[in-house]
Amino acid sequence: AQSVTQLGSHVSVSEGALVLLRCNYSSSVPPYLFWYVQYPNQGLQLLLKYTSAATLVKGINGFEAEFKKSETSFHLTKPSAHMSDAAEYFCAVRGNQFYFGTGTSLTVIP
Amino acid sequence: DAGVIQSPRHEVTEMGQEVTLRCKPISGHNSLFWYRQTMMRGLELLIYFNNNVPIDDSGMPEDRFSAKMPNASFSTLKIQPSEPRDSAVYFCASSSSGVGTDTQYFGPGTRLTVL
Repeated sequence: AQSVTQLGSHVSVSEGALVLLRCNYSSSVPPYLFWYVQYPNQGLQLLLKYTSAATLVKGINGFEAEFKKSETSFHLTKPSAHMSDAAEYFCAVRGNQFYFGTGTSLTVIP
Repeated sequence: DAGVIQSPRHEVTEMGQEVTLRCKPISGHNSLFWYRQTMMRGLELLIYFNNNVPIDDSGMPEDRFSAKMPNASFSTLKIQPSEPRDSAVYFCASSSSGVGTDTQYFGPGTRLTVL
């Protein structure tokens, strides 16, 4: 069975500060992992995905995530937060279907 | 590409009425997913189709919910009769493969309010 756990339902950072959104996964098979972003009143948009190639995955808008098997983690980072990054972020793992985390709401403080 | 198209974008109805949500997947995609998003329960997979065939409907909450995919370019999610607890945002997503690493592309969602 597969699942993901997102630690922290709300994260606040100052503009220009590091963004770190945490995701831990559980999977009995090599996982395929995803990060999605949801802006207010919109659908989910793919940020990046891990598919067993490079462990450091770069996505859109300056985001990246590192797959760490030993820690069963796939944390999302961005070196410098921008006001436009304020959104809801979802981690997901793909098994025979998609399993989404509960989401982390990112607030960027000017 | 137009992306995944959902209609209506907003629906307000009264308890007991039938509600039909519609989805047009991205052309060429052969997998389609229906999700429900609420504050309390987050994002839940209701059902997904592969090549127009329902593969997993274990997320459908009860018999009041039904989904169909009569062809590769159209799907409906029907609630009959609707109840206030069905109020949520319903998303449709499509991908080019039911398994593997392919990305799901989400529509903008239908915000359903049942009074």
